[in-house]
Amino acid sequence: DIQMTQSPSTLSASVGDRVIITCRASQSISSWLAWYQQKPGKAPKLLIYKASSLESGVPARFSGSGSGTEFTLTISSLQPDDFATYYCQQYKSYSTFSFGPGTKVDIK
Amino acid sequence: EVQLVESGGGLVQPGASLRLSCAVSGFSFDSYWMSWVRQAPGEGLEWVANIKQDGSEKFYMDSVKGRFTISRDNAENSLYLQMSSLRAEDTAFYYCARGGKLGAFDLWGQGTMVTVSS
Repeated sequence: DIQMTQSPSTLSASVGDRVIITCRASQSISSWLAWYQQKPGKAPKLLIYKASSLESGVPARFSGSGSGTEFTLTISSLQPDDFATYYCQQYKSYSTFSFGPGTKVDIK
Repeated sequence: EVQLVESGGGLVQPGASLRLSCAVSGFSFDSYWMSWVRQAPGEGLEWVANIKQDGSEKFYMDSVKGRFTISRDNAENSLYLQMSSLRAEDTAFYYCARGGKLGAFDLWGQGTMVTVSS
């Protein structure tokens, strides 16, 4: 199975900060990586798919990059609505998907 | 309106069975892979199972193989998760999700809570 790790696990930041979250896969997943945002009591929301494609309706301050085993999610200028938990997910094969453990972005 | 609505959750004893449903509306259900994803209270997301558009392929996470069965009824626009031999560690919110963006989950339901406790 493909294991996903994320760093950091928690990130304290201020409005306007540039935020970078890293996700690593235990083996190559090409670009089969998605990023989700989840707020308390809500379902996750897709932000990025295929490592760098922005989902429709998601603000352009969110961007994704990487391929193979290392990926990043960047928020160019953190907004009050962005305080949430972020998960990466690999979907290289429909036989087994997996999520990273999550990165909580909170207010500094 | 494009939406997924889960139902069927509840409190059950260890060893019991439960069937979750996900009612789909607003899109062509039979065009998409569908999945179940769960989240234990205060924990992260965990993929549970996938089913192909026509139901011909199904995949499960290791810890639920042989206990959970994913199925779909394209005529009824519904997704199901039959859960048996439930364990305390199956306690979680269960979400149905659409594999839209080349497999990424682009649409989620609101979730239904399953609690396994004596």
